Amino acid sequence: KNEVEQSPQNLTAQEGEFITINCSYSVGISALHWLQQHPGGGIVSLFMLSSGKKKHGRLIATINIQEKHSSLHITASHPRDSAVYICAVFVGGADGLTFGKGTHLIIQP
Amino acid sequence: DAGVIQSPRHEVTEMGQEVTLRCKPISGHDYLFWYRQTMMRGLELLIYFNNNVPIDDSGMPEDRFSAKMPNASFSTLKIQPSEPRDSAVYFCASSLGGQGNIQYFGAGTRLSVL
Repeated sequence: KNEVEQSPQNLTAQEGEFITINCSYSVGISALHWLQQHPGGGIVSLFMLSSGKKKHGRLIATINIQEKHSSLHITASHPRDSAVYICAVFVGGADGLTFGKGTHLIIQP
Repeated sequence: DAGVIQSPRHEVTEMGQEVTLRCKPISGHDYLFWYRQTMMRGLELLIYFNNNVPIDDSGMPEDRFSAKMPNASFSTLKIQPSEPRDSAVYFCASSLGGQGNIQYFGAGTRLSVL
C-alpha cells in the first residue's frame, strides 16, 4: 500500500510570501493529484501530474518520479489561498487514489 | 453542466437507522467515486464504478455499507444500520477516464449519527 506523506501539516504565512507544500510517496505511481479544500468543505482538483511541471496562475506543481516527491508552490500568496491542500496518488490499474492527510494553509493579510 | 450533485447536504440520524446518500455525476463521465472524510483518517476511497459497474469496493468498511449505480446518472450509498462511528463527510466524485484524470467532486454530505 502506498504511503503518502505531506509536509508541513500546518502552515501560517503572511500575504505575499512564497509557499511550498511537499508530498512524498513510497511506491511508484502513474499520476499524482493536488486538491484544494476550502473552509466551506468543497474540494477542487488543482493539478494532475505524471511528470515534470504544471502551472496555473500563481500555482505551480512539480513532480520528481525518481525521488517519489512532488511540490505545490504558491507565488504571491493571498488570504483567499487559505485552504487545505491534499495530495493524492494513483498507482495504476484498478487501484483507487491514496490520499495524504493534507496541509492546512493560512495566509494572513 | 451543474457539476456533481449530492443530496442531502446534511443528514442527522439516530443509531440503527438506515441512511441513503445520493449522487448525480457529470453527464458523460464514465467513472464515479464515493469517498469518506474524517478528521482522524482524512479522505478515503470507499468504492468506485466504471460504466455503472463496481470495480473496487475494498474500501467499504463492512457489510453495513452498500453502493449501487443503476444507471449512468445516479448512484446511492446506503448505510444500514448506521452507527455513530459512521459520522463523517461523504463525497461523490466523477471523472472521464478514471483515476489518472481530473476528478470533479460534489459538495459532500455531512452525516451525523447520534
